[in-house]
Amino acid sequence: QKEVEQNSGPLSVPEGAIASLNCTYSDRGSQSFFWYRQYSGKSPELIMFIYSNGDKEDGRFTAQLNKASQYVSLLIRDSQPSDSATYLCAPFSSASKIIFGSGTRLSIRP
Amino acid sequence: SQTIHQWPATLVQPVGSPLSLECTVEGTSNPNLYWYRQAAGRGLQLLFYSVGIGQISSEVPQNLSASRPQDRQFILSSKKLLLSDSGFYLCAWSGGGVINGYTFGSGTRLTVV
Repeated sequence: QKEVEQNSGPLSVPEGAIASLNCTYSDRGSQSFFWYRQYSGKSPELIMFIYSNGDKEDGRFTAQLNKASQYVSLLIRDSQPSDSATYLCAPFSSASKIIFGSGTRLSIRP
Repeated sequence: SQTIHQWPATLVQPVGSPLSLECTVEGTSNPNLYWYRQAAGRGLQLLFYSVGIGQISSEVPQNLSASRPQDRQFILSSKKLLLSDSGFYLCAWSGGGVINGYTFGSGTRLTVV
């Protein structure tokens, strides 16, 4: 079983709608989680960090964490074409390393 | 502020040739340093990480090696490249607390021909 599971997509969402990206993880020792965004041909950039169960909001982004279900998600409200990218879920593992999922490719259609 | 430099941006190397990729961090001391590889259309694979000078941990057995000769310098090397070594190589650093995650360099796109 992979440490991090993400649907590879592509996930196509109309402009202005809510994009929902999901991630499951296997290491119960993971206590904190990152969402990175990676544009094609570029390096990943951090967009969200969450360590508590529940929701964390930052602008149009909301991260949701459910440790009991080992599930973390990212919601993007009012999706824009500039949100088209690959989104990487990344648990901070019990070995003090960040393990990246393979990412979900998101495409926002005008 | 902290910055991370990685070079070269692109590299085309023949099979069997050596490799040396360099990464340096500015504006911080004693950072944790990481080398990741991303094959085309795939996720990020952690290759090596280092918590201090001369301290290297290898995650994946392969024909690559890493060294940290100075506090803010991290080098990825190979004596003989394979076709399967092609990919996007990313250096990253951390040290500002877990909340800040990793900061990545701009990457090196390596094509082995």
